[in-house]
Amino acid sequence: DIQMTQSPSNVSAFGGDRVTITCRASQSISRWLAWYQQKPGQAPKLLIYQASRLESGVPSRFSGSGSGTAFTLTITGLQPDDLATYSCQQYHSHPGTFGQGTKVEI
Amino acid sequence: EVQVVESGGGLVQPGGSLRLSCTTSGFALSNYRMSWVRQAPGKGLEWVANIKEDGSEMNFVESVKGRFTISRDNAKSSLYLYMNILRDEDTAVYFCARDRVAYSSGYAKAPYFDNWGQGTLVTVSS
Repeated sequence: DIQMTQSPSNVSAFGGDRVTITCRASQSISRWLAWYQQKPGQAPKLLIYQASRLESGVPSRFSGSGSGTAFTLTITGLQPDDLATYSCQQYHSHPGTFGQGTKVEI
Repeated sequence: EVQVVESGGGLVQPGGSLRLSCTTSGFALSNYRMSWVRQAPGKGLEWVANIKEDGSEMNFVESVKGRFTISRDNAKSSLYLYMNILRDEDTAVYFCARDRVAYSSGYAKAPYFDNWGQGTLVTVSS
């Protein structure tokens, strides 16, 4: 199975800051990567798919980039509502696998 | 509005069984593959199983093969996960999720998930 590693595990930032989360795959996954947001006690929410495509309804302050084995999720202009854990998932090969999550504190 | 609601979680002893249910609304279940994804305490998400739109094909993560079964009833807009021979390491919040599948060169990629429920907690402990 492909291993997904996120860094950092935790990030603390101020409102309005730019936050970058990194996700690395143990082998090339092309651009077959999704990002999810999970708020405490809530259902995970799809933010980005195919590395950089924004899901409908997701604010434009979220963006994704990367290909191969290295990917980033960027939040430009951090909002209080962005307090959550963010996880990446590769869907290049079965089974799809997730990173361990990055908790964003404000 | 798409809604996904899980139920059936609880405390069960090692070696025991449990059935989880997922009720959906706001979309035609028969048009979508569906998955169960779990999250153990303090751990990342883990895909567990999925089932094709008509129930003709099911896939499982290696650690649950032979112990878990997945089924669906499209007429009732429902999905099920039957868990047998439960182990301590099966303790987790179990999420029901709607699959989205990408294709490359005619082959289906692993699913990613565009709508999720809030999850139901399964605790395996004596």
